[in-house]
Amino acid sequence: KAGVTQTPRYLIKTRGQQVTLSCSPISGHRSVSWYQQTPGQGLQFLFEYFSETQRNKGNFPGRFSGRQFSNSRSEMNVSTLELGDSALYLCASSTQVAQVTEAFFGQGTRLTVV
Amino acid sequence: DQQVKQNSPSLSVQEGRISILNCDYTNSMFDYFLWYKKYPAEGPTFLISISSIKDKNEDGRFTVFLNKSAKHLSLHIVPSQPGDSAVYFCAASGDNYGQNFVFGPGTRLSVLP
Repeated sequence: KAGVTQTPRYLIKTRGQQVTLSCSPISGHRSVSWYQQTPGQGLQFLFEYFSETQRNKGNFPGRFSGRQFSNSRSEMNVSTLELGDSALYLCASSTQVAQVTEAFFGQGTRLTVV
Repeated sequence: DQQVKQNSPSLSVQEGRISILNCDYTNSMFDYFLWYKKYPAEGPTFLISISSIKDKNEDGRFTVFLNKSAKHLSLHIVPSQPGDSAVYFCAASGDNYGQNFVFGPGTRLSVLP
């Protein structure tokens, strides 16, 4: 069974640009969550999608957005990039139907904003 | 304010001995806890979980203990192996239907041969 796949693995963008990251969950998983990992803040929850609907949202500005498609694949978008957005962005998927379950993470996308 | 704390940034243990990683939380609404292991350049890997209705869960060499009154959980690894060297994250959730985990800052475990 293939794991969670994130593309691209590495990305360099300039301040002010926008970026789209992609995540393909494990087959059969309907919940996709996004996290930002930085050395100073650790792993922070961005948002979660379940059946194409955003179910939970973390404390991030509106520049961070996401969506989920009918095949459960998800994208997150960051607009007007700032230097502080440089981080490892991790996607996690889970079956999560009726209660909290463990999430399976991808390898992440390393975003560098210059 | 950190809701999930891992007060030891690093821990070194001799191979074959027990590793004990600690985690404290402040939000009494948390009722599901997980431990993840992370190697460099990889995403976190799920290790073991525990719900608040239990005080212990075992899976092979890994055991998690939960003390709800103290808002404290610990991960025991016995015996420790060099391949266990990684960063360990404690995570908590209080949302029955959401995958909204609050992660601790992590503890770097080094198992010395």
